[in-house]
Amino acid sequence: QSALTQPPSASGSPGQSVTISCTGTSSDVGAYKYVSWYQQHPGKAPKVVIYEVAQRPSGVPDRFSGSKSGNTASLTVSGLQPEDEADYYCCSYAGSTYVFGTGTRVSVL
Amino acid sequence: EVQLVESGGGLVQPGGSLRLSCAASGFTFSSYWMSWVRRAPGKGLEWLVKINPDGGAKTYADSVEGRFTISRDNAKNSVYLQMYSLRGEDTAVYYCARYRAGAYDYDYWGQGALVTVSS
Repeated sequence: QSALTQPPSASGSPGQSVTISCTGTSSDVGAYKYVSWYQQHPGKAPKVVIYEVAQRPSGVPDRFSGSKSGNTASLTVSGLQPEDEADYYCCSYAGSTYVFGTGTRVSVL
Repeated sequence: EVQLVESGGGLVQPGGSLRLSCAASGFTFSSYWMSWVRRAPGKGLEWLVKINPDGGAKTYADSVEGRFTISRDNAKNSVYLQMYSLRGEDTAVYYCARYRAGAYDYDYWGQGALVTVSS
């Protein structure tokens, strides 16, 4: 199972928006509505910010939103805050296993 | 409060074995699927394996099937990862994570255990 493809980096100024893409195949992202996104700060455990493509867990700011079209899912962080600077990973169900994305480092300029 | 605490990491020689443990608290452990995920230095997260609540169903990633074994002891609220024939590319921080079956996501993660495979 190959990793899902994400851009290595993305950046924006405070208050701006950034969108991260996550491209898979018709066997994972394209086949299921089970795409989740995880935020990981250095030295910390990952934290889920989006599940089932566009659902936000309790406690996650509504600045985080998700979508999917075909084999590509996207995470948008609106109104960037300094604390949003982190690594972000998508993850897709692949029919019994899971596959993560290559990861995107988001910088808040 | 849900807590997952990994232990058992360390330095091991290539070809060696190591067992990681993950102690869970703050929830009904025997009701949840559990997984192990790793992050190698400079790389991204990699999904490794999942186990169902009673331990009877396990699914592995191709990269570790046949070398890694997941198990659990619901009486001890713990999940384990037995690793054999370790290689340099297995060097990583290993996380245990609670799987939320209804949402197909991982809602709680441990802080990780570092495994270094080197001579």
